Amino acid sequence: KQEVTQIPAALSVPEGENLVLNCSFTDSAIYNLQWFRQDPGKGLTSLLLIQSSQREQTSGRLNASLDKSSGRSTLYIAASQPGDSATYLCAGSYNTDKLIFGTGTRLQVFP
Amino acid sequence: DGGITQSPKYLFRKEGQNVTLSCEQNLNHDAMYWYRQDPGQGLRLIYYSQIVNDFQKGDIAEGYSVSREKKESFPLTVTSAQKNPTAFYLCASSIAQHTEAFFGQGTRLTVV
Repeated sequence: KQEVTQIPAALSVPEGENLVLNCSFTDSAIYNLQWFRQDPGKGLTSLLLIQSSQREQTSGRLNASLDKSSGRSTLYIAASQPGDSATYLCAGSYNTDKLIFGTGTRLQVFP
Repeated sequence: DGGITQSPKYLFRKEGQNVTLSCEQNLNHDAMYWYRQDPGQGLRLIYYSQIVNDFQKGDIAEGYSVSREKKESFPLTVTSAQKNPTAFYLCASSIAQHTEAFFGQGTRLTVV
């Protein structure tokens, strides 16, 4: 069964800290993995997509990695800011027509 | 601006009523999806469509119906057969299967 897990469920850090969010998946036959941000009561904003042939993708202060052999992806946020506070979701794309979502990590960055 | 528009933002349904959630995209994407989000659970797929006039059931299609008469539109109807419809509904689209997915701002449906 294809499952995606995100640990921890919640994280609170002081502003300026570098942090890593974790995403684990059970099936290594993944086409790609996508990271999203969700603000309270809002839709999902796509942050990064990593293809199965790639090992990492970068966008500004964000860097996402993908290790298929270990079934893990990480989202690295450099120099965190209060505006980064949100729920971060990862989702895997497989040989089906849906994304398999984790339950998210709720991040709070305090000043 | 290109994007996905969902309406209404909030919707209230009485017992026994059918309601329709709107999803429109101007990204020229072929694929469109409906997901349901409940607290503490990951998003679950309701229906998806890879091309106009074709759609497929997802994991939790019971009590829902869709149509795809135009490329840019994929409305979702929540029927009276759906016993627990209170949730946050998200529409998404992508150029094709296994490409980057983009989401709308969601519709919160509440049964009153």
